[in-house]
Amino acid sequence: AQSVTQLDSQVPVFEEAPVELRCNYSSSVSVYLFWYVQYPNQGLQLLLKYLSGSTLVKGINGFEAEFNKSQTSFHLRKPSVHISDTAEYFCAARRGAGSYQLTFGKGTKLSVIP
Amino acid sequence: KAGVTQTPRYLIKTRGQQVTLSCSPISGHRSVSWYQQTPGQGLQFLFEYFSETQRNKGNFPGRFSGRQFSNSRSEMNVSTLELGDSALYLCASSPTLDGEQFFGPGTRLTVL
Repeated sequence: AQSVTQLDSQVPVFEEAPVELRCNYSSSVSVYLFWYVQYPNQGLQLLLKYLSGSTLVKGINGFEAEFNKSQTSFHLRKPSVHISDTAEYFCAARRGAGSYQLTFGKGTKLSVIP
Repeated sequence: KAGVTQTPRYLIKTRGQQVTLSCSPISGHRSVSWYQQTPGQGLQFLFEYFSETQRNKGNFPGRFSGRQFSNSRSEMNVSTLELGDSALYLCASSPTLDGEQFFGPGTRLTVL
């Protein structure tokens, strides 16, 4: 079984400051990793994904994440946040090919302070 | 291209009733998955369908059921509603078995 742990439930950060949202996963098999964002009263939007290849993954809205197999981590970063980045962020994992059942972390609420 | 559509967006039911939620995937997508989102348990997988076949089911009681039609539209049904079933139910579609999942806006179910 796989599990996903998001280490911070809430992260406040000032506008234009950098941010890192932490995610660790555990799995006995190869995994695909994802970050989703959820704005109030909306569904989930994919920010970025790691399937294979380069460990540094770039996504939409200036976000990037680094896959670290030895530390089983997939932390999300942005060098300079905007007010519009205020939302809840979910890290998710999926086993390899053949199933798209996602296992989600509990989420991290990012609050950008003007 | 239109996104994933879920109807209704909001629903209020009372304990003991049953409810049916609908999901229309993106045109051409053959896979549909359902998730339940609650403040306490977070996002939990309910089931996934591909070409009308249920491929996987999460750890939910038998009161939760679903199906997929030949046009890839999917419905989920919850019978004998309990207060704890109050949640946001999200549907996601994907073009293939391994493809990226696109989420709908969800149906907010409140059980009184």
